[in-house]
Amino acid sequence: DAKTTQPTSMDCAEGRAANLPCNHSTISGNEYVYWYRQIHSQGPQYIIHGLKNNETNEMASLIITEDRKSSTLILPHATLRDTAVYYCIVREGSNFGNEKLTFGTGTRLTIIP
Amino acid sequence: DSGVTQTPKHLITATGQRVTLRCSPRSGDLSVYWYQQSLDQGLQFLIQYYNGEERAKGNILERFSAQQFPDLHSELNLSSLELGDSALYFCASSGDRGFDNEQFFGPGTRLTVL
Repeated sequence: DAKTTQPTSMDCAEGRAANLPCNHSTISGNEYVYWYRQIHSQGPQYIIHGLKNNETNEMASLIITEDRKSSTLILPHATLRDTAVYYCIVREGSNFGNEKLTFGTGTRLTIIP
Repeated sequence: DSGVTQTPKHLITATGQRVTLRCSPRSGDLSVYWYQQSLDQGLQFLIQYYNGEERAKGNILERFSAQQFPDLHSELNLSSLELGDSALYFCASSGDRGFDNEQFFGPGTRLTVL
């Protein structure tokens, strides 16, 4: 079962920052937070991941609360091409074959022109 | 482009038949994962291979099997197909078995069972 809770859908105006929340209140110390997105029926696309520190890359920023029970993915300047289903996934850090991703239902983000 | 390739893109077949889906991972990636996405079940992990060996199993039916070859490409074999096997099948790959490696997904194979 997915260990995360996300809103079913969100809208964001084009050019504004899109802030996607995720609750993972049962996360344990060695579990990472990953974000993927899926545009229409394409393969899921990796966005970003983090353990406890905030992270930023060319696509997005990830803000993880100090207690690690929730996080927010930020797309700083949303474009129409960011319309997709966004998945927040908690995954145990492991190099013993437990690297599977457990996808929930995600948030359907719609960017409004 | 993730660097992961999957063939074929589309596959239409009949119930009871057997099909093989193929995946080529990103150059240098040793791990290959297979996922199934159906309308009612969402994205589900099926199986993982690392350098030719099975490493983890998920919700994979006994009618399904997979393998990873010495050149690291992988095949997912689906047999005795049923209508409910119609789905998108994604392959993903990741690099050395580091602690927090991300997975990169291919474009998928859309299987339709009639």
